Amino acid sequence: NAGVTQTPKFRVLKTGQSMTLLCAQDMNHEYMYWYRQDPGMGLRLIHYSVGEGTTAKGEVPDGYNVSRLKKQNFLLGLESAAPSQTSVYFCASSPPGLRTDTQYFGPGTRLTVL
Amino acid sequence: AQRVTQPEKLLSVFKGAPVELKCNYSYSGSPELFWYVQYSRQRLQLLLRHISRESIKGFTADLNKGETSFHLKKPFAQEEDSAMYYCALRSGSGNTGKLIFGQGTTLQVKP
Repeated sequence: NAGVTQTPKFRVLKTGQSMTLLCAQDMNHEYMYWYRQDPGMGLRLIHYSVGEGTTAKGEVPDGYNVSRLKKQNFLLGLESAAPSQTSVYFCASSPPGLRTDTQYFGPGTRLTVL
Repeated sequence: AQRVTQPEKLLSVFKGAPVELKCNYSYSGSPELFWYVQYSRQRLQLLLRHISRESIKGFTADLNKGETSFHLKKPFAQEEDSAMYYCALRSGSGNTGKLIFGQGTTLQVKP
């Protein structure tokens, strides 16, 4: 099992450009999450999904959109990138039920917006 | 408001010294708390959860509801413990699994 994978690993964008980050998991998990990690801020939840076809806003959703068309994939989109979105993005997944506290993380995507 | 606070950005100790990583939380209700760890060039992973009352890699954490704290402790630090540590609180009711993370503390264990 590859677990949780993220594509790409690194990306540099110019202000105003758009891009999509892909998260994939092969553990058949129901729940998936997108976080951003910034120095001194910890991890902050952007959006999450509790199942295929459903998404919900997290703590810092502005400027991002997500889609969960397939259970194994969770896409994070930036329509018009801004320098404030420079960050490391982590995807995570977890099974439903009693084990929802254990989140399995991807390796991260380092995004720089110039 | 639900919040997790880790007051120390960096904690530096010598090998063999005791370690205590502080975590305080704000939550109305019965909290569920966790410690996650990120070693260099590795993924963030669960270290321990308070409901298990377990010891992982020599680390323990006790939930103190009176002080709203969940400090992570280890009696004798090892160099391989050097990592970023995050305290997390399970947020909200229902089974969404959302976690609120603290700001993180970098533990540096010097030889």
